[in-house]
Amino acid sequence: SYVLTQPPSVSVAPGKTARITCGGNNIGSKSVHWYQQKPGQAPVLVIYYDSDRPSGIPERFSGSNSGNTATLTISRVEAGDEADYYCQVWDSSSDRVVFGGGTKLTVL
Amino acid sequence: EVQLVESGGGLVQPGGSLRLSCAASGFTFSSYWMHWVRQAPGKGLVWVSRINSDGSSTSYADSVKGRFTISRDNAKNTLYLQMNSLRAEDTAVYYCARGSQVGATPTDYWGQGTLVTVSS
Repeated sequence: SYVLTQPPSVSVAPGKTARITCGGNNIGSKSVHWYQQKPGQAPVLVIYYDSDRPSGIPERFSGSNSGNTATLTISRVEAGDEADYYCQVWDSSSDRVVFGGGTKLTVL
Repeated sequence: EVQLVESGGGLVQPGGSLRLSCAASGFTFSSYWMHWVRQAPGKGLVWVSRINSDGSSTSYADSVKGRFTISRDNAKNTLYLQMNSLRAEDTAVYYCARGSQVGATPTDYWGQGTLVTVSS
């Protein structure tokens, strides 16, 4: 089965840039989606199809995907960005949706 | 406004059954694939099952295959998850989520979740 690997935690100072990676075998050939989840809340889609932003998501959020790694980049990080972030793909060959293990973003 | 409201969670004994419902509004329900995703306490998101827009195709995670059944009633704008032979490891918040019109992902809208606790 397809596996997505994320770092358990990332720490960044306010105003700096956070990069959260999502590794998978030839993930560049798949569409990657990213979700933000704050404590006690449902996940929110922040990036879809590798790099598109839903309406209402700040331009500070961006994504890229190539080779074996997809990356969520958050520029000018704010305290309100502190949350868990998950990557997701649909492995169409097995018809399974896969989530990464999640990354806890801490704003120092 | 898109809304997804789950119900049906609660406390159930191991080996028992439960049926979750997800009432959808604010969009053309019959045009979208739908999913169930769960999250055990303090853990990450885990995909459970998906169903296509007309209900003719379903898929399950290996951990629930043969025990859970996803279904939908497009006339009632409602998604279901029938859970049988429940185990302690099925304890989680269960979210319903809207997929795409043309495929499984992305899951762009999520309900607030319903808690299922499997314990004696």
